[in-house]
Amino acid sequence: GAVVSQHPSWVICKSGTSVKIECRSLDFQATTMFWYRQFPKQSLMLMATSNEGSKATYEQGVEKDKFLINHASLTLSTLTVTSAHPEDSSFYICSARDGGSPYEQYFGPGTRLTVT
Amino acid sequence: QQQVKQSPQSLIVQKGGISIINCAYENTAFDYFPWYQQFPGKGPALLIAIRPDVSEKKEGRFTISFNKSAKQFSLHIMDSQPGDSATYFCAALAGGGSEKLVFGKGTKLTVNP
Repeated sequence: GAVVSQHPSWVICKSGTSVKIECRSLDFQATTMFWYRQFPKQSLMLMATSNEGSKATYEQGVEKDKFLINHASLTLSTLTVTSAHPEDSSFYICSARDGGSPYEQYFGPGTRLTVT
Repeated sequence: QQQVKQSPQSLIVQKGGISIINCAYENTAFDYFPWYQQFPGKGPALLIAIRPDVSEKKEGRFTISFNKSAKQFSLHIMDSQPGDSATYFCAALAGGGSEKLVFGKGTKLTVNP
């Protein structure tokens, strides 16, 4: 149980285009989902927290107009990187909190974004 | 106060040995302490977690030791195997609505055969 999927697993896009990453909880309802960014050999950096049906809460320094997050249902959240630039290249990981548990978070497999 | 300090940064252990990774925190509001295992190119996977009402939790070869007074917790991997080679992150979370996990910087474990 507690499986979180991400799609795509990797994507290459050209500078100036937008990319959408999907995060799905497959066997539980995720009242809260989180989006992280991870640079090589570094820890996870929280970008934003999203609750189903509400606007996402962004961490300080994260551009909300650049990283659009939508949590339209209890099993799906999307992250859209708009007008991507090479510096946006990174490993993006989502996690989901099971609505029946106040603590556990389960992570997706990550999406490798490369902007050329 | 929100930091979780993790050490060592890297660790090399022989097969069959014990791997020990330590974490320390300052925020006494933290009440959930998970450990995550991450393989290259993959997302972190929840390994084991502990609440502060117990001093130790064991799951198979993995044990968390928790010292509330010292505000420290550690992960012990018994009989370490080459397949355990990964990066391990400790984390902490304060319940009661603040759902953000605060991560340590990670420990890269290498288990030599």
